[in-house]
Amino acid sequence: AQSVAQPEDQVNVAEGNPLTVKCTYSVSGNPYLFWYVQYPNRGLQFLLKYITGDNLVKGSYGFEAEFNKSQTSFHLKKPSALVSDSALYFCAVRVPGSSNTGKLIFGQGTTLQVKP
Amino acid sequence: SQTIHQWPATLVQPVGSPLSLECTVEGTSNPNLYWYRQAAGRGLQLLFYSVGIGQISSEVPQNLSASRPQDRQFILSSKKLLLSDSGFYLCAWRALAGFNNEQFFGPGTRLTVL
Repeated sequence: AQSVAQPEDQVNVAEGNPLTVKCTYSVSGNPYLFWYVQYPNRGLQFLLKYITGDNLVKGSYGFEAEFNKSQTSFHLKKPSALVSDSALYFCAVRVPGSSNTGKLIFGQGTTLQVKP
Repeated sequence: SQTIHQWPATLVQPVGSPLSLECTVEGTSNPNLYWYRQAAGRGLQLLFYSVGIGQISSEVPQNLSASRPQDRQFILSSKKLLLSDSGFYLCAWRALAGFNNEQFFGPGTRLTVL
């Protein structure tokens, strides 16, 4: 079965330090992977996606993610965290065979807390 | 540019009352449209999606229904709300021009059923 796992409910990091939010996936075929961020009582905002090509994907607000096929991972990273990065982060993978519908499977989310 | 609207932003309804949540998208044509529910500020559950006017696919059997009367309008409804219908409802759209496109989300509707 297709799935996405975010193994950490919460990640704590000090402002200015690098951050990593982990995501692993299990899908058949080539994965199409996405990261979203959600601030309290708001909709999700798209950060970045991996479709094909370079394994390091750069996105909005200084975030990047590294696709690792052998480890079936797509971890979100940022070199220097800001307090304003504190939010709920979701990893998602497109359901195989759903190019027409674009259906996504979401992880359970990871709360990122950046402390000053 | 494209924008997505949802209303109302918040709603408090008694058990057994009807529901109608509306989502509209501007600046695009023939988008894919989606309704999600997020419970307890955590995971997202896909409720319905639509690839065109009048075409609705249901993901989870439940007390809700969806309709797409116009190309860029998506409505979530219920005839009689249950307590378990409380949650944060999110509408999203995806452009069809490019099958690898991401989904874009609206601001959400917070529904409390009492």
